[in-house]
Amino acid sequence: QVQLGESGGGVVQPGGSLRLSCAVSGFTFSNYGMHWVRQAPGKGLEWVAVIWYDGSNKYYADSVQGRFTISRDNSKNTLYLHMYSLRAEDTAVYYCARDAYNPPGSYLDDWDQGTLVTVSS
Amino acid sequence: EIVMTQSPATLSVSPGERATLSCRASQSVSNNLAWYQQKRGQAPRLLIYGVSTRATGIPVRFSGSGSGTEFTLTISSLQSEDFAVYYCQQYNNWPPLTFGGGTKVEIK
Repeated sequence: QVQLGESGGGVVQPGGSLRLSCAVSGFTFSNYGMHWVRQAPGKGLEWVAVIWYDGSNKYYADSVQGRFTISRDNSKNTLYLHMYSLRAEDTAVYYCARDAYNPPGSYLDDWDQGTLVTVSS
Repeated sequence: EIVMTQSPATLSVSPGERATLSCRASQSVSNNLAWYQQKRGQAPRLLIYGVSTRATGIPVRFSGSGSGTEFTLTISSLQSEDFAVYYCQQYNNWPPLTFGGGTKVEIK
């Protein structure tokens, strides 16, 4: 059974940093590309970033380019999102999600429960 | 960037009735279109991919159709557990992956 468990959310001041982690089990993590998707309170879904199964390629939404870094540790079956220079508009529930294809670039067939990041002074 | 537009924003339907949700792309996405269901306080769940293929475990009352820029999600007979928000997503031209703004299906 596929499981994705996220951690690291919380309250951070504007300009601050935070790291989210997404630990996975139930599938061969190193075979799949992974995404981060976020959802601001009461809003829709916004794609944030993707990383290839082996970490060789990474892409970001324009809204986070240069401030967020996606990474992974396949030996630990864990996906990360390092967030820097956080802004109020980054406040959202952040989801990690598995891409159905390899290489990635398709639909997202498994999602974690999400973690809330609040940027506020 | 491909913009996905969903309509209506809210759909009021009685249990047992049919619901029809629309999704329009700003340019052709071929058949690279998925639908997700999100219940309050939960993560999105994949319903349909490739326009019309149901994901594992999704009931047959959910069906997808369309091509190019116009797509439809149909729920043939709404059950109580189907009241939720539904999102379409294109994966034809990316990055970025883009989602529609969502359609909330509520009880009439």
